[in-house]
Amino acid sequence: QVQLVESGGGVVQPGGSLRLSCEASGFTFSSYGIHWVRQAPGKGLEWVAFILYDGSNQYYADSVKGRFTISRDNSKNTLYLQMNSLKSEDTAVYSCAKDLAVQSSNSDALHIWGQGTMVIVSS
Amino acid sequence: DIQMTQSPSSLSASVGDRVTITCRASQSISVHLNWYQQKPGKAPKLLIFAASSLQSGVPSRFSGSGSATDFTLTISSLQPEDFATYYCQQSSINHLTFGGGTKVEI
Repeated sequence: QVQLVESGGGVVQPGGSLRLSCEASGFTFSSYGIHWVRQAPGKGLEWVAFILYDGSNQYYADSVKGRFTISRDNSKNTLYLQMNSLKSEDTAVYSCAKDLAVQSSNSDALHIWGQGTMVIVSS
Repeated sequence: DIQMTQSPSSLSASVGDRVTITCRASQSISVHLNWYQQKPGKAPKLLIFAASSLQSGVPSRFSGSGSATDFTLTISSLQPEDFATYYCQQSSINHLTFGGGTKVEI
């Protein structure tokens, strides 16, 4: 079945770095754009970043632009999020989500979600 | 960025009630509007895409309507499993934004 599994979360000090991974299975990974979305404890959903199916373009929320980098390896069916200069306000569950659109340069909807990995930024 | 405003932020309802949640965009987004349901500790689930298209497997008591800046999610007859938080989200541009959420409680 279609599945996304995140890993790489943990506790990191302010100013530190962390790299999240999202391993996909059950679908043709290279045909779909993928998003990162986060949810701080007790808060709503916040979109973080989006990468097109072929990796040709990336899009970021203003809150993470210049600090986070989204990338993908289609040969490994894996999505990444490199997070640098972390702040306490980055504390959240980070989830990857597969877009509904096939081989599109535009996002459609977030179709399938992973269960998420927790990132805690604290000294 | 496009701002999405949901209302109400929470509501109390009973099984069998008709429930309506609204979402307003800060600028026209045509029909690039999606609705999600999230239960505690679970990943969000796509209910409605493109404002009014029901995602496969979602019960027909859920419906969506609207265009441009004003959108509505309606649950025609609330069931026990529908108590959850609902989010709208725009996909008009590749910088996505979510509404603040509506918690549907007993």
